Amino acid sequence: DQQVKQNSPSLSVQEGRISILNCDYTNSMFDYFLWYKKYPAEGPTFLISISSIKDKNEDGRFTVFLNKSAKHLSLHIVPSQPGDSAVYFCAASVSSFGNEKLTFGTGTRLTIIP
Amino acid sequence: DTAVSQTPKYLVTQMGNDKSIKCEQNLGHDTMYWYKQDSKKFLKIMFSYNNKELIINETVPNRFSPKSPDKAHLNLHINSLELGDSAVYFCASSQGGVGDTQYFGPGTRLTVL
Repeated sequence: DQQVKQNSPSLSVQEGRISILNCDYTNSMFDYFLWYKKYPAEGPTFLISISSIKDKNEDGRFTVFLNKSAKHLSLHIVPSQPGDSAVYFCAASVSSFGNEKLTFGTGTRLTIIP
Repeated sequence: DTAVSQTPKYLVTQMGNDKSIKCEQNLGHDTMYWYKQDSKKFLKIMFSYNNKELIINETVPNRFSPKSPDKAHLNLHINSLELGDSAVYFCASSQGGVGDTQYFGPGTRLTVL
């Protein structure tokens, strides 16, 4: 039972353009969402997060949008840079002090074309 | 000064052997985790410890036993290794508060022959 889904295994975007990565979830109890970025042979690195009480969170070139009614979130990267090429994982959790487990999607491989 | 470190990075072993993976964090975090990324790239939680106490145990076979000698270390022991245990294992840590960011180690690629 995959509670967090990233339906696009890969995405290619021209440098300078906007990259949009999508994520859907099924568990309505999730109240905290995160995006992680992963380079080969490294662990996932935290990128940006959003609480369910918000619908948008922005950090520099990265913006995460949350649509609770559709159980959908997206990550926008603008402008896209070659160093953004990586696998991006969407993750979700149910807030529980000291007992938070992240449920991950299967990732989207983003390739930025120079 | 790596925040979350794991050893070894690669581990190749025969079926039936017992092996351990070590994890250390120098972030002063209270909570540590083990995740498994299988061949289909699913990244799934296995265990979490808060201040040396087991908090999450996600229906993992009892051949897997985490051990936390102190809150900066969470080691993973695997007995009687099976082919299906081949995966990348990631350690992570967080402060343990609501919505806290989890910081991941570089992973240990385990191959069981």
